[in-house]
Amino acid sequence: EADIYQTPRYLVIGTGKKITLECSQTMGHDKMYWYQQDPGMELHLIHYSYGVNSTEKGDLSSESTVSRIRTEHFPLTLESARPSHTSQYLCASTTAGNGYTFGSGTRLTVV
Amino acid sequence: AQKITQTQPGMFVQEKEAVTLDCTYDTSDPSYGLFWYKQPSSGEMIFLIYQGSYDQQNATEGRYSLNFQKARKSANLVISASQLGDSAMYFCAMREGLGAQKLVFGQGTRLTINP
Repeated sequence: EADIYQTPRYLVIGTGKKITLECSQTMGHDKMYWYQQDPGMELHLIHYSYGVNSTEKGDLSSESTVSRIRTEHFPLTLESARPSHTSQYLCASTTAGNGYTFGSGTRLTVV
Repeated sequence: AQKITQTQPGMFVQEKEAVTLDCTYDTSDPSYGLFWYKQPSSGEMIFLIYQGSYDQQNATEGRYSLNFQKARKSANLVISASQLGDSAMYFCAMREGLGAQKLVFGQGTRLTINP
């Protein structure tokens, strides 16, 4: 049974729509991450969080934003989706840095 | 500069053979961790094996072992007795130091096991 949950699993949405990708974990991990991955390519870190009320931008610039109001919840929002945002988005968490748990991912298609 | 380098975009191996996937890394931090993940076509990331920079022994997990050569900055994954279900993308990743503990990934290797 997964300890980190991402919803939706697949999303097809029109250009200009606002979307929120959900990520929740039940392990009490303090650090959480969002990665963006194009098919067959490497994962790029776009956001991370040390803990509640702490968010930082990752190594790859992204138009998305994140929030961390509760330890277990780290949603990602796109205010106005564009076709260039089409990608897979993976959420991960850790506490000690020697074990990272990943969600199943959200495959986003913007038409 | 690329911190994690995987130089094999694709590998083709016969079933039951052993396979080595290459990974080199670049860091000046004495404390770091190295990971290997498997990503099947369904897209989820499956953790395979972890090696800490201070670990004396090479890590092993079932059919997976990590050939850690610190002086060469390499952390190759060895899969023994390959199976058809091993066909997937494989990613090497590194966590540097303490603090944010960000995980940085290599470009990946697509492994195909032939019957």
